[in-house]
Amino acid sequence: RKEVEQDPGPFNVPEGATVAFNCTYSNSASQSFFWYRQDCRKEPKLLMSVYSSGNEDGRFTAQLNRASQYISLLIRDSKLSDSATYLCVVNGAGSYQLTFGKGTKLSVIP
Amino acid sequence: NAGVTQTPKFRVLKTGQSMTLLCAQDMNHEYMYWYRQDPGMGLRLIHYSVGEGTTAKGEVPDGYNVSRLKKQNFLLGLESAAPSQTSVYFCASKRTARGYEQYFGPGTRLTVT
Repeated sequence: RKEVEQDPGPFNVPEGATVAFNCTYSNSASQSFFWYRQDCRKEPKLLMSVYSSGNEDGRFTAQLNRASQYISLLIRDSKLSDSATYLCVVNGAGSYQLTFGKGTKLSVIP
Repeated sequence: NAGVTQTPKFRVLKTGQSMTLLCAQDMNHEYMYWYRQDPGMGLRLIHYSVGEGTTAKGEVPDGYNVSRLKKQNFLLGLESAAPSQTSVYFCASKRTARGYEQYFGPGTRLTVT
């Protein structure tokens, strides 16, 4: 089993739609979880951290299920500017190493 | 704060040539990383450093060497470039404590012909 698995997509959704991405991780000892966003030909940038109780940042909601080793990202009211690849990220064996999923590509269509 | 910077942004090498990629960060981060990103492969860790003077191998270290002589700089060297090393290279840095994210540089696009 790969350390961090994501559906590669692409997800093609109309503007205003709600879209959800899922991610599973294999290391049950993982402590920190993030969603990064990567625009085409650009570097990954932090979108949001994921907390055990779930957290929201505007139109974005992240959830963590430790028992199932599952992370999700919900985007409401999709904008054209949300088109990007979303990377699920989990800390590795130590505090120094993060493990990146391969990403899910989202295209928001007018 | 410039954050994480990388030089050069683009480079074309011929097989067998050597080069060094420079990464610099001004956030006083202890940890620094070099990744490569290829289509369909995601980000793969080449080497990393947990402090000045220390380096360690990541997932795909073969064909690369690194040095961390100063805390703010992390150099990635290719001694004898091969076409398989054509990729986008990203440097990143991070605070020591668990829970903090990595900050990435803008990337270097390397083509080896």
